[in-house]
Amino acid sequence: GAVVSQHPSWVICKSGTSVKIECRSLDFQATTMFWYRQFPKQSLMLMATSNEGSKATYEQGVEKDKFLINHASLTLSTLTVTSAHPEDSSFYICSAVWGQGFKETQYFGPGTRLLVL
Amino acid sequence: GIQVEQSPPDLILQEGANSTLRCNFSDSVNNLQWFHQNPWGQLINLFYIPSGTKQNGRLSATTVATERYSLLYISSSQTTDSGVYFCAVSRGAGGSYIPTFGRGTSLIVHP
Repeated sequence: GAVVSQHPSWVICKSGTSVKIECRSLDFQATTMFWYRQFPKQSLMLMATSNEGSKATYEQGVEKDKFLINHASLTLSTLTVTSAHPEDSSFYICSAVWGQGFKETQYFGPGTRLLVL
Repeated sequence: GIQVEQSPPDLILQEGANSTLRCNFSDSVNNLQWFHQNPWGQLINLFYIPSGTKQNGRLSATTVATERYSLLYISSSQTTDSGVYFCAVSRGAGGSYIPTFGRGTSLIVHP
């Protein structure tokens, strides 16, 4: 159990286009999902917390107009990178949270590698 | 915010060797997890262990919450253990779960 899918796994796009990444919890409902960005040989950087039915909470320094997050249902969150530029190229990872009351556990999607040319 | 330090940053082992990875955190936490990121980037849950000791096969973990550290033990290492091991903690202030990750320990196991 506790499977999280992420689509697409690879994206190559031209500068100026928008890219949408989907994150789905396949066998459980997740009130909260997280979006991370990871650079090569570095740790995960939390970008935003996505809560079903409410606006996402962005970490300091993350442009909310650049990275649009929508948590449409208890099993789906999307991240849209708007007007992508080469500096947005990175590995984007989502996670879905199972449990509550300090017993939360994150389950991760396989990630999306974005290359902006 | 809470600081998480992992050591060692890099580890190279011969297959069959044992190892201990450490995670220190700067404040009290009520949630601690260990993850393994494989060479393809997928993060896999290893342990949810805010305190105490757990074992799963060749892996075990111990968290001493009062002393603010956790240890991950890998015994009889295999090449498939290669990857990066992350520790993530949360204080859960106000009931919210916001994880903070360490920088990870990169493990290479040679055949």
